[in-house]
Amino acid sequence: GDSVTQMEGPVTLSEEAFLTINCTYTATGYPSLFWYVQYPGEGLQLLLKATKADDKGSNKGFEATYRKETTSFHLEKGSVQVSDSAVYFCALWFTSGSRLTFGEGTQLTVNP
Amino acid sequence: NAGVTQTPKFQVLKTGQSMTLQCAQDMNHNSMYWYRQDPGMGLRLIYYSASEGTTDKGEVPNGYNVSRLNKREFSLRLESAAPSQTSVYFCASRQGPFNDEQYFGPGTRLTVT
Repeated sequence: GDSVTQMEGPVTLSEEAFLTINCTYTATGYPSLFWYVQYPGEGLQLLLKATKADDKGSNKGFEATYRKETTSFHLEKGSVQVSDSAVYFCALWFTSGSRLTFGEGTQLTVNP
Repeated sequence: NAGVTQTPKFQVLKTGQSMTLQCAQDMNHNSMYWYRQDPGMGLRLIYYSASEGTTDKGEVPNGYNVSRLNKREFSLRLESAAPSQTSVYFCASRQGPFNDEQYFGPGTRLTVT
């Protein structure tokens, strides 16, 4: 079945550090890929997405590129802020399907 | 617009008790979903409703039932709660069928003792 694997957390960085959160997937076919973010005490919000190979999703300084050859969708940000502290989820979706398949989530803490 | 709302925010049950989690959306979305979130496991789909009048099982449906009351509301019922159902429950909605973004509610934290 389809699955998503994220790098183990938690991740702790200092403000202005470079962030990478790895995400790889296993799927038959070509899903759409997503990053969702969950701030403390809240539900998930869509951060960015890519729907086909080589697409780059971007939002709020975060970027991720859909790499079909490595089945990856790594999340990056050049300079993190304290306000980026949250849990980040990678997920995949098939247009013909019925569900989002989530990774286990990566807790990010950014210290001033 | 309130988006997706859930009630209650917190609930403590004893083993064997029943309860219903309520979810409503005001975005005129067709599809609605119930997930549970457990540490280290991401979100897992319990049930979903692709459109008003239909419901289907997700990845972990055992011990739950759902009702799509109308286009706005989608409830999740635990008939006989078990400690294994201690979790955070999220409701989500999606416009569908060609829009893939899901909108999530704030969650219900349930503890079963």
